[in-house]
Amino acid sequence: QKEVEQDPGPLSVPEGAIVSLNCTYSNSAFQYFMWYRQYSRKGPELLMYTYSSGNKEDGRFTAQVDKSSKYISLFIRDSQPSDSATYLCAMRGLAAGKSTFGDGTTLTVKP
Amino acid sequence: GAVVSQHPSWVICKSGTSVKIECRSLDFQATTMFWYRQFPKQSLMLMATSNEGSKATYEQGVEKDKFLINHASLTLSTLTVTSAHPEDSSFYICSASSAGGEDGYTFGSGTRLTVV
Repeated sequence: QKEVEQDPGPLSVPEGAIVSLNCTYSNSAFQYFMWYRQYSRKGPELLMYTYSSGNKEDGRFTAQVDKSSKYISLFIRDSQPSDSATYLCAMRGLAAGKSTFGDGTTLTVKP
Repeated sequence: GAVVSQHPSWVICKSGTSVKIECRSLDFQATTMFWYRQFPKQSLMLMATSNEGSKATYEQGVEKDKFLINHASLTLSTLTVTSAHPEDSSFYICSASSAGGEDGYTFGSGTRLTVV
């Protein structure tokens, strides 16, 4: 079993929809939770960074972490065609070491 | 914000030759850099972790003599693919973190390597 599970999709939504992306994990030592966006043939771009449980909002993006359920989510409001990309969740422990990534969810937002 | 520059963005080389990929942190000192490999429609596979001034730590199954990593300064890490073969063709990406890693790590733009 993988430490981090992410639904690969693909996910297709109409423009303006609310998108929910999710990951589950098994390692209770994870304390930092990240969401990255990756466009084709580009390096991942950090979208959201959260420490421990709770919510964090940045514009149209909201990240939620529920450590009791070992479940994290990324919500995208008013989705745009430019949001079409692969979204990767990642997490790591307290030490500044390597992160464990999900396999990514490919999102397409149709105009 | 933190910027990581990776060069080249793409390279084509002949089988048996070596290729060097550079990863630079432009506006911060990167005590730790990570090298990943990514196949089409797959997630990132961590190859190795490099710390400035010390030997890299390779993940299981990654040949350290084939993928040479040098992290000689706080702003530069290099990955050299030695005696490249077609199966080494992939997308290579680096990421970097400042001391403490109090933020999400910053990724380079990636290098697409094609070995012919």
